[in-house]
Amino acid sequence: QSVLTQPPSVSGAPGQRVTISCTGSSSNIGAGQDVHWYQQLPGTAPKLLIYANINRPSGVPDRFSNSKSGTSASLAISGLQAEDEAVYYCQSYDNSLSGSWVFGGGTKLTVL
Amino acid sequence: QVHLVESGGQLVKPGGSLRLSCAASGFTFSDHYMNWIRQAPGKGLEWVSFISPSSSHTSYADSVKGRFTISRDNAKNSLYLQMNSLRLEDTAVYYCARKGHGDYGDWWGQGTLVTVSS
Repeated sequence: QSVLTQPPSVSGAPGQRVTISCTGSSSNIGAGQDVHWYQQLPGTAPKLLIYANINRPSGVPDRFSNSKSGTSASLAISGLQAEDEAVYYCQSYDNSLSGSWVFGGGTKLTVL
Repeated sequence: QVHLVESGGQLVKPGGSLRLSCAASGFTFSDHYMNWIRQAPGKGLEWVSFISPSSSHTSYADSVKGRFTISRDNAKNSLYLQMNSLRLEDTAVYYCARKGHGDYGDWWGQGTLVTVSS
């Protein structure tokens, strides 16, 4: 069981907006720890998508955004494109687990 | 351009040992914390271990504590993971990742597959 909880799958048509939730607890997201998101395309390594809640690395389009409230965060992808089809993981730091990065179980995004 | 290349993954029997390597280039390796993260087949990501730039500080997930040892050689721009007493559940792709300015991995290698099977 993952420390952070994500829905197993979401889907949307091209051009639509989808959101992926990430629920933690008072020892990670709820404790004020930052949330980060990764995109894993089929057969490839995870790639940093959003860091420190709101920041996008160079090259990541502004169609990707994150919001955070309480013990949860939500990745939004607007203007859905076929190349967005991937597995998305949220990640945070857990105060109760020494040195530990904690991940969500991953959400498979299907572009219809 | 940051480049991380893992190697050393292979088929090993339960109880066996393996040493993974991660060759880093394109940045000042000795300035950065480094991590190992693994992904079992068809599963999600699991943080395994980190090491500080000077090797003075390390940490491990409970699932590998006492069996795995992380180390680095800054002169060789290399990160290592010594894996002992391997179990079936250690089967995974192992990624090395550079820690960014916060608690996240800003650059990841392509991974190396470790298969533990009799």
